Amino acid sequence: GQQLNQSPQSMFIQEGEDVSMNCTSSSIFNTWLWYKQEPGEGPVLLIALYKAGELTSNGRLTAQFGITRKDSFLNISASIPSDVGIYFCAGQLMTGTASKLTFGTGTRLQVTL
Amino acid sequence: NAGVTQTPKFRVLKTGQSMTLLCAQDMNHEYMYWYRQDPGMGLRLIHYSVGEGTTAKGEVPDGYNVSRLKKQNFLLGLESAAPSQTSVYFCASRMTLQGEQYFGPGTRLTVT
Repeated sequence: GQQLNQSPQSMFIQEGEDVSMNCTSSSIFNTWLWYKQEPGEGPVLLIALYKAGELTSNGRLTAQFGITRKDSFLNISASIPSDVGIYFCAGQLMTGTASKLTFGTGTRLQVTL
Repeated sequence: NAGVTQTPKFRVLKTGQSMTLLCAQDMNHEYMYWYRQDPGMGLRLIHYSVGEGTTAKGEVPDGYNVSRLKKQNFLLGLESAAPSQTSVYFCASRMTLQGEQYFGPGTRLTVT
């Protein structure tokens, strides 16, 4: 099955630094989503993008839907310790009565004080 | 309002044993999904349901069966567990095809 290429795999940054991660695909999607997963929990939606070129912010998070519809990036500004977790991108393609998510492999973020 | 709940949280099985994982949602969502998550990989879709009484295969359905007899419940069965099914299993639900998927807390399954 298809998996999205997500990079970097892991990041160790200092509190206050900005973070950038991205996701690329060989096929197009209608929607790009970014999730965060904390230990022992399921993924939680951070940002959803519905149009090519769209740039959306949610607090310190900013994400963009690539023009080609095959990529997306997520930026976190001024990181804080509670940003620690695994961040997943997901692409969604509407097909008939189903709308399946294809997930990236995740970016593990560690924030040091 | 509990959202999406999963039982059990942890389970250890011997090869060949069977078990059923239960997912329940109290949001009246139409669509429900079962995923598995393995180290270094994203979530992969096992089976899904677009409404009560319906099920469909996802990306990795082999070795699993599902049932959606009630709208609020989606059961995932392992007929004869294998070590390759050691994973963390997540259930999710959503109201519409465009709506947000809400995930449960996961079930960690180990097959020895």
